[in-house]
Amino acid sequence: DTAVSQTPKYLVTQMGNDKSIKCEQNLGHDTMYWYKQDSKKFLKIMFSYNNKELIINETVPNRFSPKSPDKAHLNLHINSLELGDSAVYFCASSQATPGLYTFGSGTRLTVV
Amino acid sequence: GNSVTQMEGPVTLSEEAFLTINCTYTATGYPSLFWYVQYPGEGLQLLLKATKADDKGSNKGFEATYRKETTSFHLEKGSVQVSDSAVYFCALSGGNTPLVFGKGTRLSVIA
Repeated sequence: DTAVSQTPKYLVTQMGNDKSIKCEQNLGHDTMYWYKQDSKKFLKIMFSYNNKELIINETVPNRFSPKSPDKAHLNLHINSLELGDSAVYFCASSQATPGLYTFGSGTRLTVV
Repeated sequence: GNSVTQMEGPVTLSEEAFLTINCTYTATGYPSLFWYVQYPGEGLQLLLKATKADDKGSNKGFEATYRKETTSFHLEKGSVQVSDSAVYFCALSGGNTPLVFGKGTRLSVIA
């Protein structure tokens, strides 16, 4: 039973396309996150949701839109993909204790 | 704002060598500090944590001590193994804010 699962694991797509990445957690956590990891392994927070409500929205292009249908799911939709969007996207979840996150295994997005 | 600076990699060591990866932080208040590890092709996993000054986090032979006076949380291991090869991230959490990560340090251990 995977605690935080992301699909797909790999995604190769052309510039200009629209794509979605899905994330589900079965830990009962209240808070979920999307992080972007660039080619140099730098991790940057993109969004954070608590009980389906957006609480953190970092400086991310409007082309990125998170959606949380319930507290166990946080999906990421990306419009008009650009070459610079190529990265590994990680979903994570946490409960009350600050900083104790469970991460998914990542989605490697390649825009060609 | 909160930030974490850790030593640039990559670090290459022979098996059984001593490991230190330096990490310093800037934060308001009293953050909690963490080391996360990312094995090839996987997501990040918590390695150890410390929630207040002078706390020592430890796990799998790794240790780090929360030093408020030097704003540091250096990771150490006395004898590394090939299986420790991974990318190590220092991170901090200031209460309800999301984890802020350092840039990661890649460790390669050769037999």
